[in-house]
Amino acid sequence: NAGVTQTPKFQVLKTGQSMTLQCAQDMNHNSMYWYRQDPGMGLRLIYYSASEGTTDKGEVPNGYNVSRLNKREFSLRLESAAPSQTSVYFCASSQTTGELFFGEGSRLTVL
Amino acid sequence: LAKTTQPISMDSYEGQEVNITCSHNNIATNDYITWYQQFPSQGPRFIIQGYKTKVTNEVASLFIPADRKSSTLSLPRVSLSDTAVYYCLVDSSYKLIFGSGTRLLVRP
Repeated sequence: NAGVTQTPKFQVLKTGQSMTLQCAQDMNHNSMYWYRQDPGMGLRLIYYSASEGTTDKGEVPNGYNVSRLNKREFSLRLESAAPSQTSVYFCASSQTTGELFFGEGSRLTVL
Repeated sequence: LAKTTQPISMDSYEGQEVNITCSHNNIATNDYITWYQQFPSQGPRFIIQGYKTKVTNEVASLFIPADRKSSTLSLPRVSLSDTAVYYCLVDSSYKLIFGSGTRLLVRP
């Protein structure tokens, strides 16, 4: 059972480049989330999708866009990467509020 | 959104019981209390969730007093592998905000 799968696991970008982080879940969950975690810090919510067809801003949405492609997939796009976006990005899904299942993370470095 | 306050760090020794308290003075009627564990380089993992009184599962217990303004995660007989960051979340919406967490260090 794969759970929540994120790709890529590692990525190095130059300032100004764009990229998309992909997330897919196979648990038939309605809600999906993107968090970022800087070294030694807690998780900060970027965007979330309570259900298919809806997306909402979290704590730190600036510089990011999301797409809830279908019930399984929720992608995060950086249009013009900045060094401040160097972080570990976690995707999560949930069927009920509060009980999140996380992926393994995507480690992004922006030079 | 209820704001949570947890100790930044705690130390313990193997075999001891560890209690981590989370304060959430502004908890709403519909809010649930959920605890997560995070190891380095991994995503957080759900530990336990409760609404009131006491909840117990195979890894932890969660104690919630009647006023629900705080909660305590209890880890019985910790081992070195319990060294991790523990997060308390309090919410009933989909906008799930993590606090700073408590860094637990278990010593031999």
